[in-house]
Amino acid sequence: GQQVMQIPQYQHVQEGEDFTTYCNSSTTLSNIQWYKQRPGGHPVFLIQLVKSGEVKKQKRLTFQFGEAKKNSSLHITATQTTDVGTYFCAGARSNDYKLSFGAGTTVTVRA
Amino acid sequence: DGGITQSPKYLFRKEGQNVTLSCEQNLNHDAMYWYRQDPGQGLRLIYYSQIVNDFQKGDIAEGYSVSREKKESFPLTVTSAQKNPTAFYLCASIPTGALSEAFFGQGTRLTVV
Repeated sequence: GQQVMQIPQYQHVQEGEDFTTYCNSSTTLSNIQWYKQRPGGHPVFLIQLVKSGEVKKQKRLTFQFGEAKKNSSLHITATQTTDVGTYFCAGARSNDYKLSFGAGTTVTVRA
Repeated sequence: DGGITQSPKYLFRKEGQNVTLSCEQNLNHDAMYWYRQDPGQGLRLIYYSQIVNDFQKGDIAEGYSVSREKKESFPLTVTSAQKNPTAFYLCASIPTGALSEAFFGQGTRLTVV
């Protein structure tokens, strides 16, 4: 079945530094979504990528969808304490509403 | 006030008892989902439903059951057959049409003692 894998599981970052989290699927995806879950909260949608090779930016966050539509990345520059939380990628195959999530990358920030 | 509501927020049950978690949405979304979250394992899909009166098993459906008799409601029953039911359960819904943003409820933390 479809599997979405995400690395690293944990990311400890010094405030001001950059980091990247990666997402890989065993199957070709129709889209990839990214969510953020703050401690004690529920996942909140950040963005969706649909096109092969697509790149989208949200302030300090850059999202990329691979050419083969099997992988994605989230790059955060100049990390701030507000970036603390767990970032999940999620994807679905074409014509399928089965939305599968990765295990998430939990980010902690050292001030 | 539109949204997706899960109740209760915390639930305690004795081992061997079935328990039903509620999920209601007034967003007019067709698709609804149940996920289980355990530390270090992300969100694992239990069941999902694209339309009323239809639902599909996710990756970890064993020991769970659902119904989708109304568009607004997608209750999840955790049965006594679920070997390790203690977890955080999240319900989500997605608008009609092409797959897009999932809206999550606040979650129900189930503890079985």
